[in-house]
Amino acid sequence: DAKTTQPNSMESNEEEPVHLPCNHSTISGTDYIHWYRQLPSQGPEYVIHGLTSNVNNRMASLAIAEDRKSSTLILHRATLRDAAVYYCILMEYGNKLVFGAGTILRVKS
Amino acid sequence: GAVVSQHPSWVICKSGTSVKIECRSLDFQATTMFWYRQFPKQSLMLMATSNEGSKATYEQGVEKDKFLINHASLTLSTLTVTSAHPEDSSFYICSARVGGSGETQYFGPGTRLLVL
Repeated sequence: DAKTTQPNSMESNEEEPVHLPCNHSTISGTDYIHWYRQLPSQGPEYVIHGLTSNVNNRMASLAIAEDRKSSTLILHRATLRDAAVYYCILMEYGNKLVFGAGTILRVKS
Repeated sequence: GAVVSQHPSWVICKSGTSVKIECRSLDFQATTMFWYRQFPKQSLMLMATSNEGSKATYEQGVEKDKFLINHASLTLSTLTVTSAHPEDSSFYICSARVGGSGETQYFGPGTRLLVL
């Protein structure tokens, strides 16, 4: 599985947008970019995924660089409930999710 | 989104006993389920991939005779930790992939196992 690089931690203020970066310079043409998050003592939760184009859903937006070597998860207005570990994962269609260390997001009130 | 449940949510057992953890997809059929383990302050580690009606595929380093996985139906997979020891104490999480939708996995809430 291709590797991703994320910052260990980030901090945000409540009600402000958050941009979580992910580098994946060795991404292949068939790798999807997935984002999951894990709240304390819970199982991971699906956030969003994409292949080439930017994606939006009710939780977040995913901005994918033109060369696909990096992407950014955007939370438009962070709340205290968004404090979690965010995982950026590359996965071929139908394959398995392999988790890295992720980014710990702290949200300040 | 699809819902995955796990039972029990936590379990304490004595060393040497076996523990069974159930993973159910409540509102969809899952052709493939996955089992993960997570130690404190670490990321999730994939243990095995389970396909309905066939033998599980274990990741390198995971003992298949110790962690028995059964996927008897499209909505149920079980993980049995046999002869559990204190080092098996961990947070066990299952996930299920919706057949046909491709990539998205839905995770259960996890089962915390403490072996005394």
